[in-house]
Amino acid sequence: EIVLTQSPGTLSLSPGERATLSCRASQSVSSNYLAWYQQKPGQAPRLLIYGASSRATGIPDRFSGSGSGTDFTLTISRLEPEDFAVYFCQQYDSSPLTFGGGTKVEIK
Amino acid sequence: QVQLQESGPGLVKPSETLSLTCTVSGGSISGYYWSWIRQPPGKGLEWIGYIYYSGSTNYNPSLKSRLTISVDTSKNQFSLNLSSVTAADTAVYFCARDLYGDYWGQGTLVTVSS
Repeated sequence: EIVLTQSPGTLSLSPGERATLSCRASQSVSSNYLAWYQQKPGQAPRLLIYGASSRATGIPDRFSGSGSGTDFTLTISRLEPEDFAVYFCQQYDSSPLTFGGGTKVEIK
Repeated sequence: QVQLQESGPGLVKPSETLSLTCTVSGGSISGYYWSWIRQPPGKGLEWIGYIYYSGSTNYNPSLKSRLTISVDTSKNQFSLNLSSVTAADTAVYFCARDLYGDYWGQGTLVTVSS
């Protein structure tokens, strides 16, 4: 089973700042089958990035994904008020599919 | 616009079977994988399993002995049955399209309690 470790657990930033979220896999994620989601309280997760770096439909270009192998990053270039939420990574390379524990981006 | 909607009982007794259905609208169930994911209150996401529209399945080993996922292409629905539930199965259950969820249902809270 591929274990995904997200860091930091909480990121305290101000609107307009840059957010850098990390997702580290216990073994290589082949074909970069790595996705990122945003989740707000009481809502379903929203797909942001798939294939490690492809933005999902309708996702603003301030969100970008990068990385390969075991190290992946989600970057939010300039935080908007609506970006404060919890972010999860997920690998869909091998079964069982697994999620990271999440990073909460909170207003400083 | 593809939409997914979970339906089923919100309360299930311990040792009984949890049954949920996900209805897909605005698009065909054919050609895609369809997933179930759950989230215990205040916790992270857990992949339950997925089914291909043709009927082939892949389950989380931690749930495999209790789990059945099925699909009904004529109704554009897929379903989840989880047997012998305990309080640890209390969670919000989501259905989603594909192995990476590009579309999700709103989720339904299922509480296991007598």
